Amino acid sequence: RKEVEQDPGPFNVPEGATVAFNCTYSNSASQSFFWYRQDCRKEPKLLMSVYSSGNEDGRFTAQLNRASQYISLLIRDSKLSDSATYLCVVTEPGAGNMLTFGGGTRLMVKP
Amino acid sequence: DGGITQSPKYLFRKEGQNVTLSCEQNLNHDAMYWYRQDPGQGLRLIYYSQIVNDFQKGDIAEGYSVSREKKESFPLTVTSAQKNPTAFYLCASKGPLAGYGYTFGSGTRLTVV
Repeated sequence: RKEVEQDPGPFNVPEGATVAFNCTYSNSASQSFFWYRQDCRKEPKLLMSVYSSGNEDGRFTAQLNRASQYISLLIRDSKLSDSATYLCVVTEPGAGNMLTFGGGTRLMVKP
Repeated sequence: DGGITQSPKYLFRKEGQNVTLSCEQNLNHDAMYWYRQDPGQGLRLIYYSQIVNDFQKGDIAEGYSVSREKKESFPLTVTSAQKNPTAFYLCASKGPLAGYGYTFGSGTRLTVV
């Protein structure tokens, strides 16, 4: 079983749409959670951390459900520039807080 | 500005040749990591180092070697034993607190010719 699972997509949405991605993780002791964005042929870049109470950064909202061990990312008013792969990332407390990456969800926003 | 630098950006290797990918950071991070990414795939951990002069194998260490003689530097050697080395290689570093994510270098794209 993969430690961090994501739907690979692609999610094809029109500009202005709202889209949501979910991610599940297997280690209930994980303490820190992140969403990274990766553009084609580029390195991943931190999009936002995910806090227990949920957090928002502009059009992006991240939520954490510890009981069900899933994380979500909601993107409102999608822009063409949001097209990328979104990686769900979880720390592994037993391994020096090393990060474990999901396989990514690909988003394509179309005009 | 603090950051993590990988070089070269593109590298071509002949069959049977060893090549070394450079990774340097000036973030004063103790932990450094090497990942491999194949087209359309996720990141796979090759090697990691939590402290100078110490490193551990990741999930796909066969055919690779590393050293960590300085805190700032974590070079990766792709040896001739790695039969399918063509991939995108990413180096990352991490600060000490659990709440911090990784900072990635811009990657090296290795191609076997």
